[in-house]
Amino acid sequence: DQQVKQNSPSLSVQEGRISILNCDYTNSMFDYFLWYKKYPAEGPTFLISISSIKDKNEDGRFTVFLNKSAKHLSLHIVPSQPGDSAVYFCAAAQGGSEKLVFGKGTKLTVNP
Amino acid sequence: KAGVTQTPRYLIKTRGQQVTLSCSPISGHRSVSWYQQTPGQGLQFLFEYFSETQRNKGNFPGRFSGRQFSNSRSEMNVSTLELGDSALYLCASTLGVLETQYFGPGTRLLVL
Repeated sequence: DQQVKQNSPSLSVQEGRISILNCDYTNSMFDYFLWYKKYPAEGPTFLISISSIKDKNEDGRFTVFLNKSAKHLSLHIVPSQPGDSAVYFCAAAQGGSEKLVFGKGTKLTVNP
Repeated sequence: KAGVTQTPRYLIKTRGQQVTLSCSPISGHRSVSWYQQTPGQGLQFLFEYFSETQRNKGNFPGRFSGRQFSNSRSEMNVSTLELGDSALYLCASTLGVLETQYFGPGTRLLVL
């Protein structure tokens, strides 16, 4: 049973436009959410996180939105750049646990 | 500050053998987590160690084990290797609860 789902395996956008990556979760006990970016042959790199007490967190070009009632979060990248092309993973944790539950990832391609 | 390092980076083993992977966390980080990444299952949590004690455990068979040393370095061991153990094994370290987990580059294990 997948507790964290990224339903779009891939996404393609034009440089300069907005990229929106989506993530759904089923476990209402999750209270901390993160986004990681991963290039081939490298480990995941932390991008941005959000606690369940917030509904938005922004860091430069990256903004994460959390809709607790819908158990949905999204990552917005504005403007998208070719260097953003990578696989993006959504992850969730509960109760201060270090155990992260990951989605299966969305491959983002930003075309010049 | 040096990042998380993992050795070896690549490994080829045959079925039935055992393997030990090593992870050195970021200096000052006391929590080390291990994850397995496969194309079919994505990133899955194996276990987490803090101050030489296993604090969390994922749903993997007993063939997967780990330990942490007093300097926070960690090892994971897989005994009686199976073809399905072929994967990228990632290690992540963190300062503490609700702090960001930083990942190493991973060890790619191929079981023949």
